[in-house]
Amino acid sequence: QKEVEQNSGPLSVPEGAIASLNCTYSDRGSQSFFWYRQYSGKSPELIMFIYSNGDKEDGRFTAQLNKASQYVSLLIRDSQPSDSATYLCAVKGGQGAQKLVFGQGTRLTINP
Amino acid sequence: GAVVSQHPSWVICKSGTSVKIECRSLDFQATTMFWYRQFPKQSLMLMATSNEGSKATYEQGVEKDKFLINHASLTLSTLTVTSAHPEDSSFYICSAGALSARSYNEQFFGPGTRLTVL
Repeated sequence: QKEVEQNSGPLSVPEGAIASLNCTYSDRGSQSFFWYRQYSGKSPELIMFIYSNGDKEDGRFTAQLNKASQYVSLLIRDSQPSDSATYLCAVKGGQGAQKLVFGQGTRLTINP
Repeated sequence: GAVVSQHPSWVICKSGTSVKIECRSLDFQATTMFWYRQFPKQSLMLMATSNEGSKATYEQGVEKDKFLINHASLTLSTLTVTSAHPEDSSFYICSAGALSARSYNEQFFGPGTRLTVL
């Protein structure tokens, strides 16, 4: 079992709709969870991080964390064509862990 | 703030040669830097964690004698791919850890270096 799993997609969503991206992780001791966006040929850029159970909203983005289910998701409201990218889920372990473990990424396409 | 640069942005070399990639934190000091590798359509794979003034910690399966990492100062880490071969062709990305404006120990990513070995 991979440490961090994502549906590789591609996920296709019409413009203006809600895009839902999911991620599960295997290390129950994981403390911090990150969503990165990566455009083709570019390095990742941080969208959001979350470390408490529940929802965290930032503009059109909402991250949801359920530690009991070892599940984290990202919702993108009012999807725009510029949101088309690969979305990477990353997890940082507990006890002062420094490194991030990335999922394989979900390729998202927003159709105008 | 928290800008990380990489040089070169792309490099093409012949098989058997060595290539050095620099990673710099431009406006902050980073005690820890990370080196990742990303093959086409795959995710980022951590190669090593580099702490200033000490030896890098390599991930399982990464050859430390092939991928030499030096972190001599708080703003510069280098990755040298020795005796590069075509299978080393990849996108190499560094990141630097720092306390962000959100008061969180965040990793700031460089723009990446695309290495092509002929």
